[in-house]
Amino acid sequence: TQLLEQSPQFLSIQEGENLTVYCNSSSVFSSLQWYRQEPGEGPVLLVTVVTGGEVKKLKRLTFQFGDARKDSSLHITAAQPGDTGLYLCAGEATGAGSYQLTFGKGTKLSVIP
Amino acid sequence: GAGVSQSPRYKVAKRGQDVALRCDPISGHVSLFWYQQALGQGPEFLTYFQNEAQLDKSGLPSDRFFAERPEGSVSTLKIQRTQQEDSAVYLCASSLVGSPLHFGNGTRLTVT
Repeated sequence: TQLLEQSPQFLSIQEGENLTVYCNSSSVFSSLQWYRQEPGEGPVLLVTVVTGGEVKKLKRLTFQFGDARKDSSLHITAAQPGDTGLYLCAGEATGAGSYQLTFGKGTKLSVIP
Repeated sequence: GAGVSQSPRYKVAKRGQDVALRCDPISGHVSLFWYQQALGQGPEFLTYFQNEAQLDKSGLPSDRFFAERPEGSVSTLKIQRTQQEDSAVYLCASSLVGSPLHFGNGTRLTVT
């Protein structure tokens, strides 16, 4: 069974601060996805990283895939209240059953104005 | 429609009752997934359809859970003889094959 550990589980910061969320596993994934989920809604895809060492930027969000494709991080610069939500990482397995996503438990972020 | 639609949004069932949860995927999306999200947890895979064929049901927790997609479009997840541990948000997602998932807003099931 492939597991994804996310840390921290909860994060409460002031508007304007920077933060990093981590997603770690002992398994190799063919790709890793980051989602944001707001209360009462389904997860919304932010980004997919595929290549080991890949870095993708989405405005103030920077996503990195580890060289060994076992871990990933999400860095937010100058957080804003609109960034509040549950951030989920999800790994796509290699080989058979690759359509199945394994999700971490998520990081609940609160950005205080 | 513009997105994946799930109904009902909320369902309260007494222990032992049967429930049926509906998912209307995005038109033309071949792949359809059901996930279960317990409180404070990430979504967990339940089952996968490609058109009307259920290709993987390995995540279904027990034989009380049954899913179908008879015409390759709308899908129904049925839970028989509900138990308290079935309380969760049930998420449906659809996609073109090999493309990113689009999730619905889920059905929150509470079993009392």
